[in-house]
Amino acid sequence: KAGVTQTPRYLIKTRGQQVTLSCSPISGHRSVSWYQQTPGQGLQFLFEYFSETQRNKGNFPGRFSGRQFSNSRSEMNVSTLELGDSALYLCASSLVRRGRSGANVLTFGAGSRLTVL
Amino acid sequence: QKEVEQNSGPLSVPEGAIASLNCTYSDRGSQSFFWYRQYSGKSPELIMFIYSNGDKEDGRFTAQLNKASQYVSLLIRDSQPSDSATYLCAVREGSGGGADGLTFGKGTHLIIQP
Repeated sequence: KAGVTQTPRYLIKTRGQQVTLSCSPISGHRSVSWYQQTPGQGLQFLFEYFSETQRNKGNFPGRFSGRQFSNSRSEMNVSTLELGDSALYLCASSLVRRGRSGANVLTFGAGSRLTVL
Repeated sequence: QKEVEQNSGPLSVPEGAIASLNCTYSDRGSQSFFWYRQYSGKSPELIMFIYSNGDKEDGRFTAQLNKASQYVSLLIRDSQPSDSATYLCAVREGSGGGADGLTFGKGTHLIIQP
């Protein structure tokens, strides 16, 4: 069973540019979440999508946006890049369950490492 | 502001000993608690989750939850050098099917000394 696939794995951009990252969840997983990981702040929640709808959003500026397609694949976009956006962007998918039996466990992809110069 | 606190370490433990990792959280409404392991340069992988007070065991790993004290811990028995990694504690407000994102601690760097 294929895991969570993120592309591209590495990319370098300059300030002011925009970037789009892609995530393909595990087959059958309909929930996709995005996280930003930096050495200083650790892992921070960006947003979560389920059935093409954003259900929750973390405390990030509007430059960070995302969407989910009907096949559950998701993209996130960062516009007007800043140096501080350099980070590892992690996508995670989960099989949303009712009740506590599954506790909505996240499986992470390998990440997209963004460097902003 | 939900916060999850972990000692950053490094925590150095001799091979074969018990490694004890601790985590406290600020949101009393938290319902689900997770421990992830992250090797350098890799993405986090789930070790186990817990949502009821008490202990939950899975092989060499035991998670302990005390909601009254807002405290979660992870014990690793018979520590192996391959356990050397950063351990991330994560908390969610919902019990399972909710949309809440996970709030992560910054992780404890564990070193198992051969």
